[in-house]
Amino acid sequence: GEDVEQSLFLSVREGDSSVINCTYTDSSSTYLYWYKQEPGAGLQLLTYIFSNMDMKQDQRLTVLLNKKDKHLSLRIADTQTGDSAIYFCAERVLTGGGNKLTFGTGTQLKVEL
Amino acid sequence: DGGITQSPKYLFRKEGQNVTLSCEQNLNHDAMYWYRQDPGQGLRLIYYSQIVNDFQKGDIAEGYSVSREKKESFPLTVTSAQKNPTAFYLCARSTGLAGGSRSWAQYFGPGTRLTVT
Repeated sequence: GEDVEQSLFLSVREGDSSVINCTYTDSSSTYLYWYKQEPGAGLQLLTYIFSNMDMKQDQRLTVLLNKKDKHLSLRIADTQTGDSAIYFCAERVLTGGGNKLTFGTGTQLKVEL
Repeated sequence: DGGITQSPKYLFRKEGQNVTLSCEQNLNHDAMYWYRQDPGQGLRLIYYSQIVNDFQKGDIAEGYSVSREKKESFPLTVTSAQKNPTAFYLCARSTGLAGGSRSWAQYFGPGTRLTVT
């Protein structure tokens, strides 16, 4: 079955690193994604990782994938106040219905001065 | 805006009225999606369309209807049968099965907040 879980809240100080975690259950996942949502806005794709990779780095963002444990994390280096938002992880699963993503419930990141 | 236009940003309706939310894309992508987001919850898939003149139900299709007569447009109608229509509605696009996408990522519009009283 498809289920994606995230912790609800994370609070960090400006300049520190943030690590947002996600677990998924579908072993047939091919791609995993991280999206950012600011208040009242749509979701913005931050990055994605293919399931045969274990790490991907993109500027301040580092994605780690542990396929054995079905665990995905997003590390934001030098976290800024502008990083305050809700972060969603999502997995693409292979179903008969084509390209569908399953989203986690989101992690609210609060960056404090 | 992810190449997707949703209008209006805020919509108010009286209970018992049908309402149609607009979603337009200008990137010639095959696949389009409608999601519903409630406070403190993730996104739930309402309907999706992989190709023109075809669409499938998502996880919470009851009380909603869609059409896909044109590639660039995927309007969602919230009918009076939807018991709890007040929510934030998000439309998304992706290149879909035929697009040869390397990531299968979905790209979202700015959303429409619907309030029904």
